[in-house]
Amino acid sequence: ETAVFQTPNYHVTQVGNEVSFNCKQTLGHDTMYWYKQDSKKLLKIMFSYNNKQLIVNETVPRRFSPQSSDKAHLNLRIKSVEPEDSAVYLCASSTDWGGVQNTLYFGAGTRLSVL
Amino acid sequence: GDSVTQKEGLVTLTEGLPVMLNCTYQTIYSNAFLFWYVHYLNESPRLLLKSSTDNKRTEHQGFHATLHKSSSSFHLQKSSAQLSDSALYYCALSGGSNYKLTFGKGTLLTVTP
Repeated sequence: ETAVFQTPNYHVTQVGNEVSFNCKQTLGHDTMYWYKQDSKKLLKIMFSYNNKQLIVNETVPRRFSPQSSDKAHLNLRIKSVEPEDSAVYLCASSTDWGGVQNTLYFGAGTRLSVL
Repeated sequence: GDSVTQKEGLVTLTEGLPVMLNCTYQTIYSNAFLFWYVHYLNESPRLLLKSSTDNKRTEHQGFHATLHKSSSSFHLQKSSAQLSDSALYYCALSGGSNYKLTFGKGTLLTVTP
């Protein structure tokens, strides 16, 4: 049963454009994440929010900016996309922050193609 | 820092044969948790199984894995592959106060008739 919802499923755009992706979770979790799955299927964390507060900000280009209005929503904006941004962006949530045993619940992903 | 190694990027098996996907890791933390996530095509990645207990077999949906801290391994196994097992499998690690999950590169399992 899906509980982490991402929109859009796919997005095709041109270099230099701005894009925004949305994510909502209905699990009541405190923590949400953005991961990037590149063309080689490598999964890397980009950002993490706990109760609307940014707690992890990996080394990503400054054109990426996360936005959280409440703990159930975490959006991702990319200002001026580059070809290397083509990837699948996966949103995830977990019950809270700090538990090494926490399970991640993923959305289905947003596939971005930059022409 | 923490690292996870999945040696095989691609494993192709005939239905009915046993599955073994390798995962080794490096961490300095004794409280490390190891995970296997499965990503079926056009679905969300989801947890398959996880463990932090040394030498204890963990099972779920026909798959099993045993964490061996002496060899830093957490290999995923299944006695008989099914066509529906075709998917991308990620091994992952978290530990210490670094609750950030470190993923391996993933192993794409393809099961053929």
